[in-house]
Amino acid sequence: GQQLNQSPQSMFIQEGEDVSMNCTSSSIFNTWLWYKQDPGEGPVLLIALYKAGELTSNGRLTAQFGITRKDSFLNISASIPSDVGIYFCAGQLGGGTSYGKLTFGQGTILTVHP
Amino acid sequence: EPEVTQTPSHQVTQMGQEVILRCVPISNHLYFYWYRQILGQKVEFLVSFYNNEISEKSEIFDDQFSVERPDGSNFTLKIRSTKLEDSAMYFCASRTAGGQPQHFGDGTRLSIL
Repeated sequence: GQQLNQSPQSMFIQEGEDVSMNCTSSSIFNTWLWYKQDPGEGPVLLIALYKAGELTSNGRLTAQFGITRKDSFLNISASIPSDVGIYFCAGQLGGGTSYGKLTFGQGTILTVHP
Repeated sequence: EPEVTQTPSHQVTQMGQEVILRCVPISNHLYFYWYRQILGQKVEFLVSFYNNEISEKSEIFDDQFSVERPDGSNFTLKIRSTKLEDSAMYFCASRTAGGQPQHFGDGTRLSIL
């Protein structure tokens, strides 16, 4: 099945710094999603990307759908303490019996020091 | 904002016992999913459900697992005879049609003793 490689595994940054994380896949996805997970909670959708090359922002967050459809990145600008959490990328195929199933990356643990 | 709700938040069960995890998806959603997350690992797909039948399942979703939508609002995951390795967070998700993103519940932590 599809495998997503997400990097880095963890990041320790100072408040105010920018953050970048990315996911690469061995195969194509039609949709890329970025979720954030806080301890004891479910993944919360941050950004959804539907088209190759698409660049989408949500406040201080910006994500891009790679041209090859095999990668995506997420940037967080001017980090704040509440950005702490685990960030997951997820890829979704479309059509056929795989429609809707999400394949997740391993997650990036973000720690922000005030 | 509408949300996916899951109960219970924590379930402790003896190995070999049956367990049912419950989910109430967002009301106008048509596609339903179960995922699991073993502690410290990534989220893994278990099963998708649409039009009252399973549309896809993973290798994890063996004969011990079943899903049901018994009425217009609930979506359940049953594990018939639990094993120690079933201990994990189980997340329910749902979405509308047309490739819209999935929304997740806060999960049920299943602990098998």
